[in-house]
Amino acid sequence: SQELEQSPQSLIVQEGKNLTINCTSSKTLYGLYWYKQKYGEGLIFLMMLQKGGEEKSHEKITAKLDEKKQQSSLHITASQPSHAGIYLCGADVVTGTASKLTFGTGTRLQVTL
Amino acid sequence: AAGVIQSPRHLIKEKRETATLKCYPIPRHDTVYWYQQGPGQDPQFLISFYEKMQSDKGSIPDRFSAQQFSDYHSELNMSSLELGDSALYFCASSLRIGGGRATQYFGPGTRLTVL
Repeated sequence: SQELEQSPQSLIVQEGKNLTINCTSSKTLYGLYWYKQKYGEGLIFLMMLQKGGEEKSHEKITAKLDEKKQQSSLHITASQPSHAGIYLCGADVVTGTASKLTFGTGTRLQVTL
Repeated sequence: AAGVIQSPRHLIKEKRETATLKCYPIPRHDTVYWYQQGPGQDPQFLISFYEKMQSDKGSIPDRFSAQQFSDYHSELNMSSLELGDSALYFCASSLRIGGGRATQYFGPGTRLTVL
């Protein structure tokens, strides 16, 4: 089965600072998703990466998938309190015609003023 | 834009009782997924439906069953509830395009507490 490991597990940064969260897979990633979750709430879709070397940005968040498609990073520039939450990477596991997500262990981000 | 709707948002049950969770996918989405997230854990896949047929099954207990109806909404039925069933239950939906890979959009979740 595919396992995803995220690092760091938790992160406290000062507002305005940059940060990076990593997601490493035990197997090749064919679809890598980044979600954000506020405590006890639903998962908000951020970005999806499929191709080796792919990079996507939305507002101050940039996600990359390495060429070997086994590691992804999520970078936040000039962090704001609104960025606080739990960031989860998810791998798309496709078996036949079905698809499901396996999630990483999560990274809890706190942004201090 | 319309999102995934789940009801109820909170549910409190006693041990050995039954619970039914409902999910209304984003309009025109054809696939529904159910996930369970225990305290401090990442979401675990339970089951999915594509065009009203079960498409995949994960770590779903035999006490749980689910189905997708003709209007594409889905229900997760949980019987003989145990304390360990207390968790956040998420529904997600997606629209399959071509090769089976599609972004899943999650609902706000149902928090089930079993006393």
